[in-house]
Formats: sequence, structure tokens, C-alpha cells
Amino acid sequence: DAGVTQSPTHLIKTRGQHVTLRCSPISGHKSVSWYQQVLGQGPQFIFQYYEKEERGRGNFPDRFSARQFPNYSSELNVNALLLGDSALYLCASSLGPNLNTDTQYFGPGTRLTVL
Amino acid sequence: AQTVTQSQPEMSVQEAETVTLSCTYDTSESDYYLFWYKQPPSRQMILVIRQEAYKQQNATENRFSVNFQKAAKSFSLKISDSQLGDAAMYFCAYRSNNFGNEKLTFGTGTRLTIIP
Repeated sequence: DAGVTQSPTHLIKTRGQHVTLRCSPISGHKSVSWYQQVLGQGPQFIFQYYEKEERGRGNFPDRFSARQFPNYSSELNVNALLLGDSALYLCASSLGPNLNTDTQYFGPGTRLTVL
Repeated sequence: AQTVTQSQPEMSVQEAETVTLSCTYDTSESDYYLFWYKQPPSRQMILVIRQEAYKQQNATENRFSVNFQKAAKSFSLKISDSQLGDAAMYFCAYRSNNFGNEKLTFGTGTRLTIIP
């Protein structure tokens, strides 16, 4: 079975632009979470979506938004890009918020560079 | 808010030897999950091992085992018979057991080098 997939792999944008990152979860997984990993740091939680509803939001500005589609894939949108948004963006999927089985599995990430 | 601390930015070990990576966390909750993830240069975050806080028995996965000390809020990872492929960044992570909350809180990571 395919793992979590993300597109694109790499992306270069300039300040002020908008970017859309995409994620497809493992087949059968209904929950998707997004994380930002700045170089040299651990990932920071941005959003969690389950059954197309937002279930959690991290401490990120309103420039960051996301949504989940009926097929459980997800998009992360970032508006008005800043240099500080340069990072590896990770997507993770799980079966859902079941108390005993919801381990998150990560995709390979999208490397975003803002110039 | 929960915090996770990894106090060893870098560790190294001889191939075939054993190494222990440290992790401490702070929480007021009694029910939660703890994880160790491995991130090789390819940057894919790979689950190594997971521990449920309500289980007293330490989790093991082949050469990987944990020492979970709930009262001390400590969660160390032991890698036995280290192999070259174990070289990576290792992240400790915490997740609350509140229904619907899957947020993972990560530490800053430990870079593990394997010496041939």
C-alpha cells in the first residue's frame, strides 16, 4: 500500500506570494495533520482535520489555512509569504481519533523556500 | 501546555554497540502517548516505537526499547546492536489522549552518528 504522499517535493516562492501544498493520506485513513519543521528544530503542529472538520489548530497566524476533501486528501494554504515561512512542511495521516489505534504516519514533506 | 525536552543535541556510538537517547516531558495529564520518531537525511519521519502511559510495561520493537518512568516523566530510547542505517535525527514526541486531539508535541531532536 502507498504511504502518505505530498506534492510538490520542492517549491521556491518570493515574499508576498501564496502557496498551496497537497497531501494524500494512506488509504483508509481519515485524519490528516500538518506540521512545520524549520531547519534544526522539531516539527511544530499547524492543523488537524478529521472527516473534513478542523479538530486542532496550532499557534500559527491566520495566513495559514487548510481544508480536507471528501476523499480525505488535504491542502495547506499560506498567504502573504514571509522569509520565516521557509521550512519543511510535513503531512501526517492516521485512522482517526480512536483512543487506541491512531498512530500518525508521515509523508516525505514539501521543502518550501521563500526568497 | 505540554513540553518535550531532549538534552542531547548529538550522540555517537560504535557500530554494534548500545546507545541510549534521553527525553523528558512535562504534563499535568495522566493519560497520554509517547513516541520516538527517526528522521534520516531523506527527511521522511519514521515511527520507531510508541508507549501508552497507562501501560507499565516498556515497549520494545526488535533492537529498539524504551525505559518509561512515568513518575519521573522520562522516556529514553535504547538502541541495541547499532547499525549504520540507524544514523538519523531522533525525535521524542508527546500526544494527549483527549478524544479528537492528535497534536504531537516534539522535542528538538538528537542527531545520532554511527561510527563504523
